[in-house]
Amino acid sequence: QLQLQESGPGLVKPSETLSLSCAVSGASIRSSTYYWGWIRQPPGKGLEWIGSIHSDGTTFYNPSLKSRVTMSVDTSKSHFSLRLTSVTATDTALFYCARIVENWFDTWGQGTLVTVSS
Amino acid sequence: EIVLTQSPATLSLSPGERATLSCRASVSVTSDLAWYQQKPGQAPRLLIYGASNRATGIPARFSGSGSGTDFTLTISSLEPEDFAVYYCQQRSNWPLTFGGGTKVEIK
Repeated sequence: QLQLQESGPGLVKPSETLSLSCAVSGASIRSSTYYWGWIRQPPGKGLEWIGSIHSDGTTFYNPSLKSRVTMSVDTSKSHFSLRLTSVTATDTALFYCARIVENWFDTWGQGTLVTVSS
Repeated sequence: EIVLTQSPATLSLSPGERATLSCRASVSVTSDLAWYQQKPGQAPRLLIYGASNRATGIPARFSGSGSGTDFTLTISSLEPEDFAVYYCQQRSNWPLTFGGGTKVEIK
């Protein structure tokens, strides 16, 4: 059974870089069928797609975040990662990783809360 | 960017009642729309994709309809576990976008 698990610091200072990782188990991250992605949800608010990555390194980013986002994938360790630079308080959110099938998010991690504060 | 507008923001119903949720797109997304359910403290769960296809393991009381700009998620008879927030999502154009959500609460 596919499982995704986010990990990373729960607190990041303003202007610094947020780095998260998503461990994939129960399925191959190398499958050509899937993309892998990040979605965030500010406390009490809705969902925002951040970006998607394929195991071949192909990426798609939300234009609203593109200048600050980098995603990468490590197939040998079966995980993919998110870096978001120059964070501010408005980046405080619950961050989810997900498997993407034909641009539908069919399996989600449990989410990890990242707070931006000094 | 395609904007998805969900209505109503909150739907107050009793168990056993029928729930009808709406999602309207700012431009046509053909049938490229999905619905997700999110319970408190949990990640969203895919319910419906391609406007009307139930995802694996989703009960038959959940159905989706619509095309173009107007879509509906119907829960034929609300079970206690169905009280949650529901989001629509489009994949027709980049960036992928979500609606603002409809909360289905117990009346």
